[in-house]
Amino acid sequence: ELKVEQNPLFLSMQEGKNYTIYCNYSTTSDRLYWYRQDPGKSLESLFVLLSNGAVKQEGRLMASLDTKARLSTLHITAAVHDLSATYFCAVTPQGGSEKLVFGKGTKLTVNP
Amino acid sequence: NAGVTQTPKFQVLKTGQSMTLQCAQDMNHEYMSWYRQDPGMGLRLIHYSVGAGITDQGEVPNGYNVSRSTTEDFPLRLLSAAPSQTSVYFCASRTSPGTGLYEQYFGPGTRLTVT
Repeated sequence: ELKVEQNPLFLSMQEGKNYTIYCNYSTTSDRLYWYRQDPGKSLESLFVLLSNGAVKQEGRLMASLDTKARLSTLHITAAVHDLSATYFCAVTPQGGSEKLVFGKGTKLTVNP
Repeated sequence: NAGVTQTPKFQVLKTGQSMTLQCAQDMNHEYMSWYRQDPGMGLRLIHYSVGAGITDQGEVPNGYNVSRSTTEDFPLRLLSAAPSQTSVYFCASRTSPGTGLYEQYFGPGTRLTVT
């Protein structure tokens, strides 16, 4: 059974600092997703990572995937208050299944 | 394009009542899914469909039914509501494999309270 673990679950950081959110998963995977969710809102897609070594960047966020370690990271560079949100990773098991399994989310608060 | 739409936005039910949460998409996506989100639990897959007439169970299917008679619509039925079904429900859709596109689009959610 595929399990997805994120850490930390809560992260409070200062503006301008860098930090990394980690996403570990327990079995081989076809795809890994990162989403952002603001309070009371839906999920916004950030990245889809398909292959080992994949790296994608958008603004101050960069996501990478190491399929051998079953690990993805979401790196935040020079955080700003607008990045405050909850970030989820989600994984589909290998074999074409559509059963997307989510981590519990990381609640990020960026303080001025 | 309206994307993925869900109705209602909010609903309060009494224990034992039944209701249908509506989901529609206008992107001609074959894959549609229903998730529930509970505090501290992330999202959990309830049911999904890979095309009209084809549905399958996800992680937490008990107490819910689905059907997919058209590509556009994927309603979720609560048969006999229980307080444990109090949650926020999200519908999502995406294109089928082979398109090279894997983006999942989520609807705005339905906040359901069962008393």
